[in-house]
Amino acid sequence: AQTVTQSQPEMSVQEAETVTLSCTYDTSENNYYLFWYKQPPSRQMILVIRQEAYKQQNATENRFSVNFQKAAKSFSLKISDSQLGDTAMYFCAFSLPAYSGAGSYQLTFGKGTKLSVIP
Amino acid sequence: DTEVTQTPKHLVMGMTNKKSLKCEQHMGHRAMYWYKQKAKKPPELMFVYSYEKLSINESVPSRFSPECPNSSLLNLHLHALQPEDSALYLCASSQVGAGERNGYTFGSGTRLTVV
Repeated sequence: AQTVTQSQPEMSVQEAETVTLSCTYDTSENNYYLFWYKQPPSRQMILVIRQEAYKQQNATENRFSVNFQKAAKSFSLKISDSQLGDTAMYFCAFSLPAYSGAGSYQLTFGKGTKLSVIP
Repeated sequence: DTEVTQTPKHLVMGMTNKKSLKCEQHMGHRAMYWYKQKAKKPPELMFVYSYEKLSINESVPSRFSPECPNSSLLNLHLHALQPEDSALYLCASSQVGAGERNGYTFGSGTRLTVV
């Protein structure tokens, strides 16, 4: 079974500053996907960034980037130039590839980090 | 259309009521999901439908009854719920698996309160 751990229940950052959210995971699989999802007060879960485990290059999406350390099973999210709209719960998540069958449909979530961006 | 639409947004029901939650997507996704989310917790998977067939049931009590009438629509029928069932119910869809291509698309959820 896979597990995902987010060790920071809450964090805060000044507007325009940079913040890093931590995530570690445990799996015996070699191929898998990792995600960061954002859930603002509006409730909708929004995909922030996605990483394929077989790709060594770290994924980036505008102000969001990850530091993927496969051997250490670590997947942190860096938010640069933080904006008020980044205030949200951030969930790290894991899934298996489609060839894993039914298991590939499941997202395993961490407990979340509540990020507050301070004006 | 790149959205998952859930109705209603809010629902208050008594423990003897029967109600249904509705989820709709028109992205051609063939997998659809129901998640339950309690306050300040991550979502918990309830059901997965793949090609309109129930693929995963995470030991959910029978007072929750899912239905997938067609590839675009997913319902969750509720009957004789308990106050502890009060939560945010999220629907999601995906093309193949959670990680493939663009992964999941989530709806905005139905906030359910059982009184």
